[in-house]
Amino acid sequence: EIVMTQSPATLSVSPGERATLSCRASQSVSSNLAWYQQKHGQAPRLLIYGASTRATGIPARFSGSGSGTEFTLTISSLQSEDFAVYYCQQYNNWPMYTFGQGTKLEIK
Amino acid sequence: EVQLVESGGGLVQPGGSLRLSCAASGFTFSTYWMHWVRQAPGKGLVWVSRINSDGSSTSYADSVEGRFTISRDNAKNTLYLQMNSLRAEDTAVYYCARGKGAGAFDYWGQGTLVTVSS
Repeated sequence: EIVMTQSPATLSVSPGERATLSCRASQSVSSNLAWYQQKHGQAPRLLIYGASTRATGIPARFSGSGSGTEFTLTISSLQSEDFAVYYCQQYNNWPMYTFGQGTKLEIK
Repeated sequence: EVQLVESGGGLVQPGGSLRLSCAASGFTFSTYWMHWVRQAPGKGLVWVSRINSDGSSTSYADSVEGRFTISRDNAKNTLYLQMNSLRAEDTAVYYCARGKGAGAFDYWGQGTLVTVSS
């Protein structure tokens, strides 16, 4: 099983600042990596797939990078609606899929 | 507009069974892989099961293998999850999600809560 590890567990950032979230895979997943945003009480929403491609309707302030085992989600200028929990997911090992444990992005 | 609406959750005793449904609309259901993902209270996302577009291939997380069965009815645009031998650790919100091929999950339902307790 591929283990996905996200860091930090909690990130405190002020509105307008940049946030950088990390995700590491226990073995290479190539670029088969997605990022999701989940707000409290809501379903997850796909932000990024293929490590760096924004999903439909996702603002340009969200960007993804990386390949192999190291990945980053960057939010360039935080808006109030961006404070949420973010999950990475690998799908290289389909038909088995694994998520990271999540990073909570909170207002500083 | 793509919509996924789960139903069938509720309170069940340990060892009991439950069948979840996910009604799909707004897209050609029969051409997409579908998934179930669960989230225990206050915890992260865990992939549960997946089925290919015609239902001929399925896969499961180790934690539910042999107890849960995923299926679909393409004529009714509906995905199912039959859950047997339920345990307390199966308590979670269960989401259905659409797959982008074998890849990421691009649309999710709102979830249905399953509580396993005596």
